[in-house]
Amino acid sequence: GIQVEQSPPDLILQEGANSTLRCNFSDSVNNLQWFHQNPWGQLINLFYIPSGTKQNGRLSATTVATERYSLLYISSSQTTDSGVYFCAVLNSGAGSYQLTFGKGTKLSVIP
Amino acid sequence: SAVISQKPSRDICQRGTSLTIQCQVDSQVTMMFWYRQQPGQSLTLIATANQGSEATYESGFVIDKFPISRPNLTFSTLTVSNMSPEDSSIYLCSVEKGVQATEAFFGQGTRLTVV
Repeated sequence: GIQVEQSPPDLILQEGANSTLRCNFSDSVNNLQWFHQNPWGQLINLFYIPSGTKQNGRLSATTVATERYSLLYISSSQTTDSGVYFCAVLNSGAGSYQLTFGKGTKLSVIP
Repeated sequence: SAVISQKPSRDICQRGTSLTIQCQVDSQVTMMFWYRQQPGQSLTLIATANQGSEATYESGFVIDKFPISRPNLTFSTLTVSNMSPEDSSIYLCSVEKGVQATEAFFGQGTRLTVV
């Protein structure tokens, strides 16, 4: 199956700092999503981005499908950005609709 | 998009008992997915539930332990049976929508603690 690797595993930021989270995947995909898991366990959809670049407020994401990686940028971080960020991929052409998740990046933003 | 209501949001259960988690979607979907997230870990797929057929379980998960119902196209339940402390996890249901049914949406999750 597809392998998904996220880096860094842990990240501590001062409020206001910028950061880049990376997701590498081992095979072609037709879905790549970024999620934020809040302290209550809820998964929040950030981006559906199998290719290209998207922006939503202070967050943006870029997926370079041909090179099999995606980046999530967080600018001017806030304490509410704390939590775990997951990258997940899917290749439905293989006949499976199973999402494969990375291990996540745990982000802590301190005041 | 999809709005998914999952309940209960959390529960504390005695070992040896069972808990049924419900998942309601605001629109009809072909497949519903159940995930487990053990403490400090990533998400692992338990099973895929299709309406009108038996659920398909992933390696390491069995129907006797995690029976699933899918009575219609907007609802599913997952039961965690004969619980032990090792079952303490967050359980999440998910659906996939979009042109190729590939964008995933998740319920709020059920945080289960077994004592």
